[in-house]
Amino acid sequence: QSALTQPSSASGTPGQRVIISCSGSSSNIGRKTVNWFQQLPGTAPKLVIYTSNQRPSGVPDRFSGATSGTSASLTISGLQSEDEAEYYCAAWDDSLNGPVFGGGTKLTVL
Amino acid sequence: EVQLVQSGADVRKPGESLKISCEGSRSSLSNYWIGWVRQMPGKGLEWMGIIYLDDSHSRYSPSFEGLVSISADKSISTAYLQWSSLKASDTAIYYCARTYNWNDVAWGFDLWGQGTLVTVSS
Repeated sequence: QSALTQPSSASGTPGQRVIISCSGSSSNIGRKTVNWFQQLPGTAPKLVIYTSNQRPSGVPDRFSGATSGTSASLTISGLQSEDEAEYYCAAWDDSLNGPVFGGGTKLTVL
Repeated sequence: EVQLVQSGADVRKPGESLKISCEGSRSSLSNYWIGWVRQMPGKGLEWMGIIYLDDSHSRYSPSFEGLVSISADKSISTAYLQWSSLKASDTAIYYCARTYNWNDVAWGFDLWGQGTLVTVSS
């Protein structure tokens, strides 16, 4: 069981906005920043959001992140077919002294 | 383009040892930490441990402490993940990933290797 809780699946049609949630606790999201990773089928994960709301170079501005209390969210606006992937949140956890990951959310573009 | 290149897929029997590698191609990994992340079949990501290539200082997740060993050779920009006695439950894809900072505020795996599939079966 992951320390961070994500919905197992999410879906949307092209052009829609999709929000993926990530719930944690006071030992991780509550006091730390959150990173989000995208994993396309059969490939390695890719960082899409770091320190809760920053995008690495090359990541479209359709991707945005936010945190509130012990929860975080990844928003994808103007959904595109190439966004179909598994998305993982991750946050530093004090008890681990390292990052914990969510269980992942499979995003389907209908 | 900087890449992390991992060693190829491996098939071993239970009880055997194994060492897989992660090399920084076209760039030195000086000043970087290299972490290892496990992905079991059909499952999510788990942080295993991390090493600072400049001085080989390593840290482990409590879930993996004593089960694996992480090492590095700074001169060839390579990090390693090693098992002394594999179990069937070690079957997974193992990724290495780079981060410049390793602290509770600024960590971020911004570059990943392609993954190494380790299969442990009798």
